Amino acid sequence: NAGVMQNPRHLVRRRGQEARLRCSPMKGHSHVYWYRQLPEEGLKFMVYLQKENIIDESGMPKERFSAEFPKEGPSILRIQQVVRGDSAAYFCASSQAGEEAFFGQGTRLTVV
Amino acid sequence: AQSVSQHNHHVILSEAASLELGCNYSYGGTVNLFWYVQYPGQHLQLLLKYFSGDPLVKGIKGFEAEFIKSKFSFNLRKPSVQWSDTAEYFCAVNAHNSGYALNFGKGTSLLVTP
Repeated sequence: NAGVMQNPRHLVRRRGQEARLRCSPMKGHSHVYWYRQLPEEGLKFMVYLQKENIIDESGMPKERFSAEFPKEGPSILRIQQVVRGDSAAYFCASSQAGEEAFFGQGTRLTVV
Repeated sequence: AQSVSQHNHHVILSEAASLELGCNYSYGGTVNLFWYVQYPGQHLQLLLKYFSGDPLVKGIKGFEAEFIKSKFSFNLRKPSVQWSDTAEYFCAVNAHNSGYALNFGKGTSLLVTP
């Protein structure tokens, strides 16, 4: 049973471009969470999704950031018009309802 | 405001030394508590968790943690560390009224020297 798969592992974008981060949850998991880790900081919750629904997006910046978890395919975290401050490690986790979350290896986004 | 505090940002120990990493949280109400570890180049892995019951929780690789409700603490301990314990350690809290999202501390970087 494969774990949580994130790709790409490393992503470089120029300022103003779009970044798309993908997360495939563990088999049988229908809950996905996205976290962001800035340098020297802990992980910060961004958004919690179930299939086709956003349950809690209280940690998402109000602009440029969006997330989806379609019925088929991976969850996508999308960052439009990236800025240098978006450079961070983005982690995805998945779980079954009420169970512990398992984390992916993260995507390290660098904005140049 | 709800928060999770890890007291030590960097810890250096010799092999066989005892380890205690502090974690305090500020939440009202019932919480679930976790310790995660991130080895160099790897993803976060769950070391142990507390939901209810015995406040002394045993985890993997000889780690344990004690939930002290009156102190809002969930400190991680290991009696004798090994070089392979070198990693980043994160305390996390899930408040029952915040769904399943975790609130993480800033992490403690542990270096174990031979």
